[in-house]
Amino acid sequence: DAKTTQPTSMDCAEGRAANLPCNHSTISGNEYVYWYRQIHSQGPQYIIHGLKNNETNEMASLIITEDRKSSTLILPHATLRDTAVYYCIVRVAPLYSGGGADGLTFGKGTHLIIQP
Amino acid sequence: DAGVIQSPRHEVTEMGQEVTLRCKPISGHDYLFWYRQTMMRGLELLIYFNNNVPIDDSGMPEDRFSAKMPNASFSTLKIQPSEPRDSAVYFCASSPKTGVEKLFFGSGTQLSVL
Repeated sequence: DAKTTQPTSMDCAEGRAANLPCNHSTISGNEYVYWYRQIHSQGPQYIIHGLKNNETNEMASLIITEDRKSSTLILPHATLRDTAVYYCIVRVAPLYSGGGADGLTFGKGTHLIIQP
Repeated sequence: DAGVIQSPRHEVTEMGQEVTLRCKPISGHDYLFWYRQTMMRGLELLIYFNNNVPIDDSGMPEDRFSAKMPNASFSTLKIQPSEPRDSAVYFCASSPKTGVEKLFFGSGTQLSVL
């Protein structure tokens, strides 16, 4: 799996958009970008994933650069409850690895702190 | 749906004792994963099952750790004998069989081995 690089921590004001960057310069054509977050004392939570097109759901937007070497997770209106560690993970899609999921490797992530 | 259910929420035991952690995955999910989280090592994948069959246990730290999935709705992770360095939060996650890896995690079991 391609290696990802994320800032250790970031601050964002409540109500503003939080933009979390992730660098994955060695990503290959069949690797997805996944974002998860972990709120204190809880298990990780899936946020969004993408291959090459920008994606949006009820939680966030994912912007992937045209060369796919980096991406940005956008929380459009951050609230205090969005304070968490955000993990960017690059992984070959199970469809291409034999059809089965085989888990995700979590790095250290970005600790996002939403300031009131 | 109640989500992935883990028990107990907290476990305190003494070194040398057997510890059993339990997990009920989301109904209909084909995959079940056991992770361990510590400050030093972060989240580590220990083992995962597909349709109740263990697929990869290369993350299990040593023979003191064992995991079973007797049916689609139940899995256990056992540590025997436990050691203080096993203290961690243990998460169970399940996933449906789709083309992407969308894992649903439980709330975890906080294990303290004294």
